[in-house]
Order: sequence, then C-alpha cells, then structure tokens
Amino acid sequence: EVQLVESGGGLVQPGGSLRLSCAASGFTFSSCEMSWVRQAPGKGLEWVSHISSSGTTIYYADSVKGRFTISRDNAENSLYLQMNSLRADDTAVYYCARPLYSGGYQIFNYWGQGALVTVSP
Amino acid sequence: EIVMTQSPATLSVSPGERATLSCRASQSISGNLAWYQQKPGQAPRLLIYGSSTRATGIPARFSGSGSGTEFSLTISSLQSEDFAVYYCQQYNKWPLTFGGGTKVEIK
Repeated sequence: EVQLVESGGGLVQPGGSLRLSCAASGFTFSSCEMSWVRQAPGKGLEWVSHISSSGTTIYYADSVKGRFTISRDNAENSLYLQMNSLRADDTAVYYCARPLYSGGYQIFNYWGQGALVTVSP
Repeated sequence: EIVMTQSPATLSVSPGERATLSCRASQSISGNLAWYQQKPGQAPRLLIYGSSTRATGIPARFSGSGSGTEFSLTISSLQSEDFAVYYCQQYNKWPLTFGGGTKVEIK
C-alpha cells in the first residue's frame, strides 16, 4: 500500500525557515517523480514544486521560486521541501503527492495527509 | 501559465439529482485534465484523468468529458457522500494549475 507521511510543519515567524519531509513507502520511491501541493486555509489547491525520480529535473511555481528548494533522498525514501524567507501567504497545508504512473503525466493519485505550516508573528 | 476557471463556485443539488460542473482552460490542454474530490479535513482524491477515464474504485455515476479548453464533470445521481469540493487540474504544461473549485452542497 502506498503511504506518504509528511512531517515538519509548525508555526514560524515571517522571514523564517522550515523544512518539510515526506516519508514514502509501499512503492519504489527512486522510480517516481514527486510533487508538493499546498492549500491555504479555506482556499483551493496550488501546485508548488516537482522533482524527477533522479532529482535532476526540478520545477517551481513562480510564487515560491528562489525561496523554496525541493530535494529527495532515494536511499531514505524521503522527499523534502526547504522553505526560506517565509511569508504570511505561505500559510497552508502542504501535501506531498505522487503521480498515478511513474514517468508519465502529473496526475496525482496518491497524497499524504498534509502538514500545516503557519507563518505568523 | 494556463489558467483554469471552474463554474459555478457553488452548486446546490438535492440527493438523487444530476450535477454538472464546468472547467475551462485559458488555452488548449488537449485531454490532459484531471478531476479531484476533496472533503473537509481530507486530502484530495483523484476521480477522473485524461478528461474521461475514471480512476480505480470511482463509481460509474462520475463521468468526465471535454477536450481543448472546455471540460465537464457529471455526477449522474448525487449520493450523500458526493457533497464535497471538486477541483480540475491541467497537466498539459508546466506549471501545473488547478481550478478554484466547485463546492457541491445539499439543496
């Protein structure tokens, strides 16, 4: 069974940093692209970042480019999101998500339970 | 970036009735569209991909159609568990983008 478990969320002051982790199990993590998707309180879904299976191809939403860094450790079956220079509008539940098919279109069939990040003084 | 626009924002429907949700892309995305259902406090759940292919375990009352820029999700006979927020997502081009959502509520 595919499982994605996020951790590392919490309360941080504006301008601060936080690192989210996503522990993956139940599939061959090293073969799968992964993404982070976030949802501000009461708002819709926003794709944040993507990383290829090897980590060589990375994309970011413009809203986080230059502030967030996605990475992965295939030996540890883990996905990360380093968030720097956090702003109030980064407050959201952050989901890690896996596509339906490895190496295919970014159709998210598997989601974690989410990690809440709150940016506030 | 491709902007996805969903309508209506809220749809009030009685159980057993049919619901049709719309999603429009700002440019052609071929058939590269997915629909998700989200209930309060839960992660999104994939319903439809490729515009019209139901994901594993999704009941036949959910159907999707469309191509290019106009898409729709139809729930043929609403069940109590179908009242939720629905999102469309294009995966034709980076950045991936979602629509703003349609809330299906009980009338």
